[in-house]
Formats: sequence, C-alpha cells, structure tokens
Amino acid sequence: DQQVKQNSPSLSVQEGRISILNCDYTNSMFDYFLWYKKYPAEGPTFLISISSIKDKNEDGRFTVFLNKSAKHLSLHIVPSQPGDSAVYFCAADPRGIGNTPLVFGKGTRLSVIA
Amino acid sequence: IAGITQAPTSQILAAGRRMTLRCTQDMRHNAMYWYRQDLGLGLRLIHYSNTAGTTGKGEVPDGYSVSRANTDDFPLTLASAVPSQTSVYFCASSKTATNTEAFFGQGTRLTVV
Repeated sequence: DQQVKQNSPSLSVQEGRISILNCDYTNSMFDYFLWYKKYPAEGPTFLISISSIKDKNEDGRFTVFLNKSAKHLSLHIVPSQPGDSAVYFCAADPRGIGNTPLVFGKGTRLSVIA
Repeated sequence: IAGITQAPTSQILAAGRRMTLRCTQDMRHNAMYWYRQDLGLGLRLIHYSNTAGTTGKGEVPDGYSVSRANTDDFPLTLASAVPSQTSVYFCASSKTATNTEAFFGQGTRLTVV
C-alpha cells in the first residue's frame, strides 16, 4: 500500500508559467515533508521542506503548500525555467513513528518547454 | 569535499554472481540508506542504518544484505544476483535518523544479465 502518492507521472509546462506538482499521503502520523529534485544520471537533491505546523514554506521560486486535513501537499514553481526540467520526488518523514527513514513517492517528471 | 561516494558507477553482472556496491561518506553522518530506483516505481528503500553497528530492513530487502562496521561505510551486497535486481542504486546519508535532509550519492547503474 503506497503511503505517498504522486499521481501524475509527468507534467509539461511552458517556460515562465507556473508548475504545480501534487502529492498525497495516507498516514496521518507523517509530520514533515520534503521535495527532492533529480536530474538524469545524478542522485536526488533536497529542494524544500515543510513541517506540519505550517501550511506554506517559500524559498525563492519554490513554494510548498500543505493541507493536513486533505493529506495533500503541492510544490509550486514560478516562473518555471528550462533548468527546472527534472524528476521531482515527494517524501514524507514518519517522525511520529520513531526512527523510520523517509517514504518517497514515485516521482513526477517535469518538462519545462522553452 | 567529497560528500557521499558510490562505486562502481555502473556494472554489468552475470546472474548468480555476488556483487558488493560500495558507499562512503565523509560527513560523519550517523544514518545511511540504500535505495533502488526503477521506472514507474520511484525510490524504494532496501536497507538502512541509523547508526554504526545497527541496520534495518526497508521496503524491498530480499536478496540484499548490508553491514555498518563504521560510520563512513555502508556496503550493499547482492549474494546471488538476479535480473530483477537490474536497477539504479542510490546510497544516501543524513546527520541523524531524525534529520531527514538526506544527501544522495550519484548512483550505481547495475545490469544483471
């Protein structure tokens, strides 16, 4: 049973427009969420995170929104740039369940078209 | 600063052979992890270690073993490789088991034929 779901395998966006990547989770014990970005032939790199005590965290062009009641989070990239083209993984930290590693979604491949 | 290093970068392996993927970090991180990435399946945790001397099973541990004799090294061994273990393997580390900004290696692409 998948605990972190990214239901869109891919997304194409025009350069300069907003990219919205979605993520749903099933376990209400998750209380910290992260987004990772992965380019081909490289390891994933940390992008942005959010704690469950917040509903928004912003870092430059990247903003993550958390809706705890809906068990949903989203990553907004605005404006989107061609260099943002990558696979984005949503991850949940089950801190409330002890020292258990991150749980990742399957990823969404973002293509930003110039 | 090297960070986290994996070796080899890629490998073609005959089925039934034994193989150890190496992972070394120089950040003095306590926690280390092994993930595999497969198309359409994302990153799946194989094994992890919250601190030297301890290991735990992840989502897909069968056919793999790990050891954590010291802080820096976390090798992953395939005792008898099978084609379904063809994948890209990522090693990662984090400062502590509860500090989850994990740092990933560049990956090892393994093909079992």
